[in-house]
Amino acid sequence: SAVISQKPSRDICQRGTSLTIQCQVDSQVTMMFWYRQQPGQSLTLIATANQGSEATYESGFVIDKFPISRPNLTFSTLTVSNMSPEDSSIYLCSVERGEGTDTQYFGPGTRLTVL
Amino acid sequence: GQQVMQIPQYQHVQEGEDFTTYCNSSTTLSNIQWYKQRPGGHPVFLIQLVKSGEVKKQKRLTFQFGEAKKNSSLHITATQTTDVGTYFCAGTGGGYQKVTFGTGTKLQVIP
Repeated sequence: SAVISQKPSRDICQRGTSLTIQCQVDSQVTMMFWYRQQPGQSLTLIATANQGSEATYESGFVIDKFPISRPNLTFSTLTVSNMSPEDSSIYLCSVERGEGTDTQYFGPGTRLTVL
Repeated sequence: GQQVMQIPQYQHVQEGEDFTTYCNSSTTLSNIQWYKQRPGGHPVFLIQLVKSGEVKKQKRLTFQFGEAKKNSSLHITATQTTDVGTYFCAGTGGGYQKVTFGTGTKLQVIP
């Protein structure tokens, strides 16, 4: 199994600022995923982060708003830029439980509130 | 795009009663997964179904994948307060190779 940690666990930010969320995995993984979960809602995939290449963004999410870094096989960051109250959500990173299995381990999440 | 819907959205049951959530996809799936998210927690993988008509059991939980691989169900027998949470199905398929999460069913168990 993979152990995933995220920092920060929660934050309250002002409109117009940016927040970078870190995701650390205790083993090397090929693919890491970033999800957004708005209050009481399901999970929406923001992007897939592969080491050594640009992240692949899903429809409705753009790199300027959600820049992602993947400097190595155990770490990734997601930045939420120029935040507005609509960005208030839980942001989760995840990794595949086994390569090509589609099943995932999730990190504990970062609860973001934008005032 | 691919859509995965779950019903019901919410369910309150008395402890000891059974519970079922249904998952329906707009496209044929190559596999379906189920996750449980406790209040304030993150999704935790429960099981994956791959074959048409497949049925798997985990103690009081029974998972089924439909014959057409477009629907699935999760049945909990004799619910306990530890079953409280939101249950998500998630599927891959229909030419869309990313996992799509269902809308979720929030289960509340009344002691």
